[in-house]
Amino acid sequence: EAGVTQSPTHLIKTRGQQATLRCSPISGHTSVYWYQQALGLGLQFLLWYDEGEERNRGNFPPRFSGRQFPNYSSELNVNALELEDSALYLCASSLPGQGARTQYFGPGTRLTVL
Amino acid sequence: QKEVEQNSGPLSVPEGAIASLNCTYSDRGSQSFFWYRQYSGKSPELIMFIYSNGDKEDGRFTAQLNKASQYVSLLIRDSQPSDSATYLCAVSTSGGSYIPTFGRGTSLIVHP
Repeated sequence: EAGVTQSPTHLIKTRGQQATLRCSPISGHTSVYWYQQALGLGLQFLLWYDEGEERNRGNFPPRFSGRQFPNYSSELNVNALELEDSALYLCASSLPGQGARTQYFGPGTRLTVL
Repeated sequence: QKEVEQNSGPLSVPEGAIASLNCTYSDRGSQSFFWYRQYSGKSPELIMFIYSNGDKEDGRFTAQLNKASQYVSLLIRDSQPSDSATYLCAVSTSGGSYIPTFGRGTSLIVHP
């Protein structure tokens, strides 16, 4: 069974640009979570999508947004990039209603903002 | 604000020893507790979860939960060099929110 996939693996942008990160969940998983893992800060929750709807949002500014498509894949958009947005962005998926008990992470996208 | 605290380490143990990783949390309403293992350059992998006070064993891993003390721990018996990784503790509440709050992780080094 294929795991959670993310693209691209690495992304280099300059300050002020926009970044788009993509995630495909495990087959049968309807929930998608986005996390930011910056150096020294640990995993910070960004967004949770389930059945195409945004269910919860972490303490991040509105320039972090996303969406979930009918096939449950998801996209994270970061507008007006700032240097401190440089981090590993992790996507995770889980079964309906199971939350972290069945949460599997993708390999991540390393975003570097210059 | 919900907080999950872990000693950043590194915790260094010899091969074959028991490694004990600890985590405290601030939200008394927390009901679900998770341990993830993250190898350097890789994504986190769920290795244990526990809901009830007491111990839960899975192979060489034992999770221990004490809700009164707001404390959860992970014991790794017969530690192997392949256990060297960062271990993340995560805590979530019920009530429809399945979003775990993560600690910053403890680095474990198992030396031969």
